[in-house]
Order: sequence, then structure tokens, then C-alpha cells
Amino acid sequence: NAGVMQNPRHLVRRRGQEARLRCSPMKGHSHVYWYRQLPEEGLKFMVYLQKENIIDESGMPKERFSAEFPKEGPSILRIQQVVRGDSAAYFCASSPTVVRTQPQHFGDGTRLSIL
Amino acid sequence: AQTVTQSQPEMSVQEAETVTLSCTYDTSESDYYLFWYKQPPSRQMILVIRQEAYKQQNATENRFSVNFQKAAKSFSLKISDSQLGDAAMYFCAYRSGGSQGNLIFGKGTKLSVKP
Repeated sequence: NAGVMQNPRHLVRRRGQEARLRCSPMKGHSHVYWYRQLPEEGLKFMVYLQKENIIDESGMPKERFSAEFPKEGPSILRIQQVVRGDSAAYFCASSPTVVRTQPQHFGDGTRLSIL
Repeated sequence: AQTVTQSQPEMSVQEAETVTLSCTYDTSESDYYLFWYKQPPSRQMILVIRQEAYKQQNATENRFSVNFQKAAKSFSLKISDSQLGDAAMYFCAYRSGGSQGNLIFGKGTKLSVKP
């Protein structure tokens, strides 16, 4: 049973370009969470999605960042016009439901570097 | 808003010895869940142990156990018989019992294991 798959593992962009990060949840999981980890910091929640719906985007910057989880295909975190401060590791986690006993399973993350 | 505090940026333990990592949290909720995640240099986020707040019994998973003090809002992790492979960043995390389910992380403790 494949785990949460994130790609690419590493992504390098120049300032002003767009970054697209992909996350395929575990089979049977319909809930996806995106987190950002800055150097020397813990993970910070960005957005929570279910299929075709954004449930909570309270942790996501209002500008340049967007997320989607279409009916078919992976969840996408999109960062437009990237800046140096966007350099971080971005983690995706999935769970089958939000039932209390279900932990979130994490992918290996995408390390985004902005030149 | 809930917060999670890990007051030990770094800890060190001799191989085969026992070490305790501290975590405190602040919440006004009565229904919540607590987790310890391990992040080795490979950057994976690995669930180590979890505790439901409504359970008085401390969770254990092999060499890992917690000391959950609900009144004090304390959730420490004890690692017994430490092994070289235990060296990693350890993050304490909180999750509300409500429907959103996103995790709130502490800043982490870097554990070194000396041979």
C-alpha cells in the first residue's frame, strides 16, 4: 500500500517564477493537509482540503498561494511569483477521515529553493 | 488559539540510556489528541506515539512512552534503551478533537545519541 507521494522531491525556481507542488494521498484517503517547514522550525499548517473543496485555508498566505484537490488527480499547491522567503520544505499529509483515532500520514516533502 | 512549546532545542543521550523530551501545550479544549513525530535527516515525518486526552493511561510503543499530565498540560516523551537510529528531530503536536483535524507543532528538539 503506497504511502503519501509528493513530487518533486526538490524544486528550484528563480524569483518571479511559479512553483507547483503535487501530493497524491494514500489510497482511500480523501482528506489532504499542507504544511510548511521553515529552516529550524516546526511544521506550520497551511490548508486543509477534501475532494473538490477547500475546508480551511486559514494558514495560507492570502496572496500568491493557492491549493486544489480535484476529483481526479493529485492535490496541487501553487505558489505564484515566488520570492526568497518561500524557500522551505512543504509537506503533505492525508487521512481517511477526521475521525479522532486516525493519524495523519505524511509524505517525504518537497524542498523548494528560490534562487 | 492553541500553542505547543518544546523548551529543549537540543538534547543528548548515551546509547542504551534513557532520555525524556519535554512538551507543554496551551488549550481551553477538553477534547484533543497529542502526538510525537520523529524527523530523521531524511526529512520524513514518522509518527512515534499518540495520546487521546480522554484516556488517563499513558501511551506506550515499545521503547517509547509518554507522561501525560492533563492538568499541567504536559506531554513528555521518554525513550528507553536509546539507539543510534533514534537520533533525529522530535516534534510534539496537538490536534483538536473538532472537525478540522490540522496539527499544531512545536519547534522541535534535536536529539543526538552518543555511541
